[in-house]
Amino acid sequence: GAVVSQHPSWVICKSGTSVKIECRSLDFQATTMFWYRQFPKQSLMLMATSNEGSKATYEQGVEKDKFLINHASLTLSTLTVTSAHPEDSSFYICSASPGLAGTNIQYFGAGTRLSVL
Amino acid sequence: QKEVEQDPGPLSVPEGAIVSLNCTYSNSAFQYFMWYRQYSRKGPELLMYTYSSGNKEDGRFTAQVDKSSKYISLFIRDSQPSDSATYLCAMRAQAGTALIFGKGTTLSVSS
Repeated sequence: GAVVSQHPSWVICKSGTSVKIECRSLDFQATTMFWYRQFPKQSLMLMATSNEGSKATYEQGVEKDKFLINHASLTLSTLTVTSAHPEDSSFYICSASPGLAGTNIQYFGAGTRLSVL
Repeated sequence: QKEVEQDPGPLSVPEGAIVSLNCTYSNSAFQYFMWYRQYSRKGPELLMYTYSSGNKEDGRFTAQVDKSSKYISLFIRDSQPSDSATYLCAMRAQAGTALIFGKGTTLSVSS
């Protein structure tokens, strides 16, 4: 299957700092990528839909100024958590779908565990 | 009522047992159905993908979709300890849109 790489896998940062998470589709082009957040023993909650070359679409309740998404190319989307606070500590996961022929299947990255001290 | 309902378990079975995992949903527009397996602190891994109603089999795994009842199932035959994980159902109405996930069912297979 297709491979989605996510980096870093784990990051610890001080409160008030910003953290950037990268999501790459390694063997396919992805016009659309999705960012999810998962709390312990909870399901994946969609945060935003990232479209290459345009602004991301955020879900209700997600602060777009706090969670900056940039989809600069067909293989890379980044999520920046700005001025992180302890309540932002969570597991962040990205996913991507191959182009038009395979838009029904989403492939997920391994996730990034963010711990804000 | 949530869009997708899934019993979180935990579900504990002995090795070799047949496991049945289920989800119900409320949105009749859903037509793409998937099952993902997620190990602790890892991203979800796609197990099965089904479009519309019907059955699909892949090795020890069988996925069933009953759109009339808004009910989907995943069966695991001859369960193994390595099957111990959280199983998430997911679905969407249109291609290219984000998936809506169930809460996940935690499965433990003992040897």
